[in-house]
Amino acid sequence: DAGVIQSPRHEVTEMGQEVTLRCKPISGHNSLFWYRQTMMRGLELLIYFNNNVPIDDSGMPEDRFSAKMPNASFSTLKIQPSEPRDSAVYFCASRQTRTYEQYFGPGTRLTVT
Amino acid sequence: SQQGEEDPQALSIQEGENATMNCSYKTSINNLQWYRQNSGRGLVHLILIRSNEREKHSGRLRVTLDTSKKSSSLLITASRAADTASYFCATDQTGANNLFFGTGTRLTVIP
Repeated sequence: DAGVIQSPRHEVTEMGQEVTLRCKPISGHNSLFWYRQTMMRGLELLIYFNNNVPIDDSGMPEDRFSAKMPNASFSTLKIQPSEPRDSAVYFCASRQTRTYEQYFGPGTRLTVT
Repeated sequence: SQQGEEDPQALSIQEGENATMNCSYKTSINNLQWYRQNSGRGLVHLILIRSNEREKHSGRLRVTLDTSKKSSSLLITASRAADTASYFCATDQTGANNLFFGTGTRLTVIP
């Protein structure tokens, strides 16, 4: 298996632009997690899905952030409009329901200027 | 905060020495996990210890868990330069369906 796949790996955009981050979980994993990592705040859980259904989005910073999982093999995290404070590394992770360890993708480094 | 806290924040040792990192947390847990993150990469799962276990080994890794003190430690024996990374503890908390990550320990192993 290729592991969790994220795209793009790097994104540089201007303030106010829409940004879409993509994630393909490991096949057979039915839980998917989006995290954000910054030096100041560490690793924060934004939202997670179980069987494509959002279970907890309490970590989503504000309405500018939205996430979807239209099927078991694809998820998106969208920021509209983006702001400089959104600059961070965004990770997607997946796991099987009956196991505990999460498998992380390589991350998307987002820079908003 | 439901996050754990690692101690120390940074650790620098010589190759061959042992490295010990500590994690404290605040709530009851089902299990505690340790992850490694190399610079610019995603986190990689290292080892899991269940709440009813006190010690676990995996290769050069030794993890202890003291649920009465709500703390865990990760020991890396005979460290190598390739062990240089950040190490995070993560708690699988009772009643939750996700992990809560600590702040991490940055380990540098000097060749």
